[in-house]
Amino acid sequence: QKEVEQDPGPLSVPEGAIVSLNCTYSNSAFQYFMWYRQYSRKGPELLMYTYSSGNKEDGRFTAQVDKSSKYISLFIRDSQPSDSATYLCAMSASNFGNEKLTFGTGTRLTIIP
Amino acid sequence: GAVVSQHPSRVICKSGTSVKIECRSLDFQATTMFWYRQFPKKSLMLMATSNEGSKATYEQGVEKDKFLINHASLTLSTLTVTSAHPEDSSFYICSAWDRGRGRTQYFGPGTRLLVL
Repeated sequence: QKEVEQDPGPLSVPEGAIVSLNCTYSNSAFQYFMWYRQYSRKGPELLMYTYSSGNKEDGRFTAQVDKSSKYISLFIRDSQPSDSATYLCAMSASNFGNEKLTFGTGTRLTIIP
Repeated sequence: GAVVSQHPSRVICKSGTSVKIECRSLDFQATTMFWYRQFPKKSLMLMATSNEGSKATYEQGVEKDKFLINHASLTLSTLTVTSAHPEDSSFYICSAWDRGRGRTQYFGPGTRLLVL
């Protein structure tokens, strides 16, 4: 079993829809959770960074962490064609500088105009 | 967010030559940088962790003599692909850890290497 599982998609939704992206994990030591957005042929861009359980909102994006279920989500409201990208979840047990991130495989999202 | 640059963005070279890729943190100091490799439509594969002033830590299966990493300063790490072969063609991405801002990794734009 992989440490982090993420549905690879592809996921296609119409413009304006709410998008839900999810990851599950098996390592209960993970405490820091991130979502990155990666456009084709570009490096990943940090979207959301959360610590422990709870919700965090930033504009149209909401990150949700449920440590009891080992489940994290990213919601995108009022989705736009510019949101079309691959979304990677990532997590770590600490925020020490030399700690590696464990990534999901990424979900390819397409927003249809 | 924090800015990380990579140079070059794209390089084409002949088999047997060596290629150097630079990774710079532009607006923060990074004691730790990471080098990843990414195949088309695949997730990131960590190659090595680069620590300023010390030897890099390589992941299992990554040849340290093939992929030379130098982290000479708090803002610069370099990856040199030695005696490159076509199977080394890939997308190489670096990231740097920003202690002061978000305490997480910020990624460079990536370098596309094509070995003929």
